Amino acid sequence: DGGITQSPKYLFRKEGQNVTLSCEQNLNHDAMYWYRQDPGQGLRLIYYSQIVNDFQKGDIAEGYSVSREKKESFPLTVTSAQKNPTAFYLCASSPTGRLNTEAFFGQGTRLTVV
Amino acid sequence: GEDVEQSLFLSVREGDSSVINCTYTDSSSTYLYWYKQEPGAGLQLLTYIFSNMDMKQDQRLTVLLNKKDKHLSLRIADTQTGDSAIYFCAERTGGFKTIFGAGTRLFVKA
Repeated sequence: DGGITQSPKYLFRKEGQNVTLSCEQNLNHDAMYWYRQDPGQGLRLIYYSQIVNDFQKGDIAEGYSVSREKKESFPLTVTSAQKNPTAFYLCASSPTGRLNTEAFFGQGTRLTVV
Repeated sequence: GEDVEQSLFLSVREGDSSVINCTYTDSSSTYLYWYKQEPGAGLQLLTYIFSNMDMKQDQRLTVLLNKKDKHLSLRIADTQTGDSAIYFCAERTGGFKTIFGAGTRLFVKA
């Protein structure tokens, strides 16, 4: 079955540590996205990638980094520079960046700083 | 700037209709979306409407768009307990960015 998979589902991080969230898709989609979801707020775009080896900052990229070495993979690293990383992180992909294409979402990773 | 606003909560009785409202600010929006999120899960696209349409119906779902007032609504007919979730309104403008509202949490009482 085609889909988009995020792992792990839950992640705990100590302050000062970097952690990497995995996002893999087998839908052959060109575009991939990372969003952050906080209670009572909409999804905010962290980074997006339209094609392999290319990615762009979203609205809240500070303290995060990404790579897009393979079409199917778009990992997100939450660095120690991110001051408030506790949140629900959602990865999405779409066939192209065109407007009329649906974004498919993963099940999310809940990151908690302890 | 770009902004999408929704009320945060809606409570309805099972069998009634639910109407979730959304306002957006970017008049150049071309596609507007409704997504559903169940607890602890990702978002699932329910339906979308192109900005040159006024209405779109898909089984129990009806989307109404008032482009003049920049108002979008989602009506769910015969609401069931399985419809309890968070519903996100989103707009897509000329770029690759999709702007999401904060989500409306729908409670369905049996």
